[in-house]
Amino acid sequence: EAGVVQSPRYKIIEKKQPVAFWCNPISGHNTLYWYRQNLGQGPELLIRYENEEAVDDSQLPKDRFSAERLKGVDSTLKIQPAELGDSAVYLCASTIYGTQNTGELFFGEGSRLTVL
Amino acid sequence: GDSVTQMEGPVTLSEEAFLTINCTYTATGYPSLFWYVQYPGEGLQLLLKATKADDKGSNKGFEATYRKETTSFHLEKGSVQVSDSAVYFCALYPGDKIIFGKGTRLHILP
Repeated sequence: EAGVVQSPRYKIIEKKQPVAFWCNPISGHNTLYWYRQNLGQGPELLIRYENEEAVDDSQLPKDRFSAERLKGVDSTLKIQPAELGDSAVYLCASTIYGTQNTGELFFGEGSRLTVL
Repeated sequence: GDSVTQMEGPVTLSEEAFLTINCTYTATGYPSLFWYVQYPGEGLQLLLKATKADDKGSNKGFEATYRKETTSFHLEKGSVQVSDSAVYFCALYPGDKIIFGKGTRLHILP
């Protein structure tokens, strides 16, 4: 079974430039998460989707960050314009939300962003 | 709000040493508890989990017991190997999202 796929793995941009990250979750997983992991820190939730609906975006900096999950499968996270403080690893994770769910998330390898 | 506190690293041990990484949590309900591991160059992956009080999660020689009375979920291994070198994250799941600790980097010396 294929895991969570993210791209690109690495991205280096100059500040004020836009950047986008893509995530393909595990087939059949209806819940998708975007986390941000700063250097030396644990991942922090940016947004959670159940199918196409963003059910928790309270930690997403909406002035410059946006996300979408068309058709309830793939998702894209965009930053425009990027700032120096956005340098981090952006992690996508998926799971099946429901009565049998115990909270195990399946993570992709992450997209490492460096803003110069 | 719900949170996780784990011991700061890095932790450096010799091969075959005993490992303990402390983790305590704050939660209003009865969350599931997890240890995730991040090996160099790889994504986060679940190491073990416990879904209710007194449950013991175990995997790859690692163990952790859900202690409700002390709100703890300490990770232990009796004899570590060089291949255990990684970053370990304690995490809790109150029902909607995973909340992670800051991570503990473990170095095992041959």
